[in-house]
Amino acid sequence: KNQVEQSPQSLIILEGKNCTLQCNYTVSPFSNLRWYKQDTGRGPVSLTIMTFSENTKSNGRYTATLDADTKQSSLHITASQLSDSASYICVVSANKVIFGKGTRLHILP
Amino acid sequence: DAMVIQNPRYQVTQFGKPVTLSCSQTLNHNVMYWYQQKSSQAPKLLFHYYDKDFNNEADTPDNFQSRRPNTSFCFLDIRSPGLGDAAMYLCATSRDRLASGAYEQYFGPGTRLTVT
Repeated sequence: KNQVEQSPQSLIILEGKNCTLQCNYTVSPFSNLRWYKQDTGRGPVSLTIMTFSENTKSNGRYTATLDADTKQSSLHITASQLSDSASYICVVSANKVIFGKGTRLHILP
Repeated sequence: DAMVIQNPRYQVTQFGKPVTLSCSQTLNHNVMYWYQQKSSQAPKLLFHYYDKDFNNEADTPDNFQSRRPNTSFCFLDIRSPGLGDAAMYLCATSRDRLASGAYEQYFGPGTRLTVT
C-alpha cells in the first residue's frame, strides 16, 4: 500500500534552534518528493522538489535530503525563526500523489 | 502578484443549499486541482483537470462536481452541502502532472466553507 508517514506529529523548539523533520514512504514507483510549508489558514507553499537522482536540495534555511534506497527524506531547518511556525507536509509522487499528514512545528520566542 | 486566486476566502452556506467556489490562475498551467482539507489533516485530492480532461478521484462523492470553462478558471460545485463538507477547499495548479516530473505546484489561499 502506498503510504507517506511523517514524524514527529508535532514539535516545539526555541527560536534560533535547528530541527529535523522526517518523512518515510512506501510509494512505488517513485517519481519525486516534495516538501511544503503550510501556514495556518493558508494554502501550502512549495519548499523543495527532489527527483530520484537528487539526494539534497536547499532553499534558504531549509535543506531537504532524500535516500531513495531506504525511502526516507528529511527536512532540516537551520536557525529557526518565529515565522517557521507552520505545518510541514511531505508529498510523494508516483502514479498517484500521496500526501503525508504533516508535522506541526511551533517556534517559541 | 497572486498567481492562484480563490474566491471567496470565506463562504457560509446552509445545509443542502448549493454552493460554488471559484479559482482562477494567471500561470497558464495545464493542470488544475481541487483539494479538501479538514482541520489538522492533509489535503485530500477531489479531482483535477488536465486541460479539459476531467479526472475524478475514486472516493470523491457525487455531491462534488467541477467545471473548467477555460484555462484560467475552475469551479467547485457542491450540490447539497452537508455538515461534513465544512472544510478548507484548496485550488492548485501545475504545468504538468506532478508524477510526470519535478513541476512546481502552486496553491491558492483556500476558501473556508462553513455549513450551517
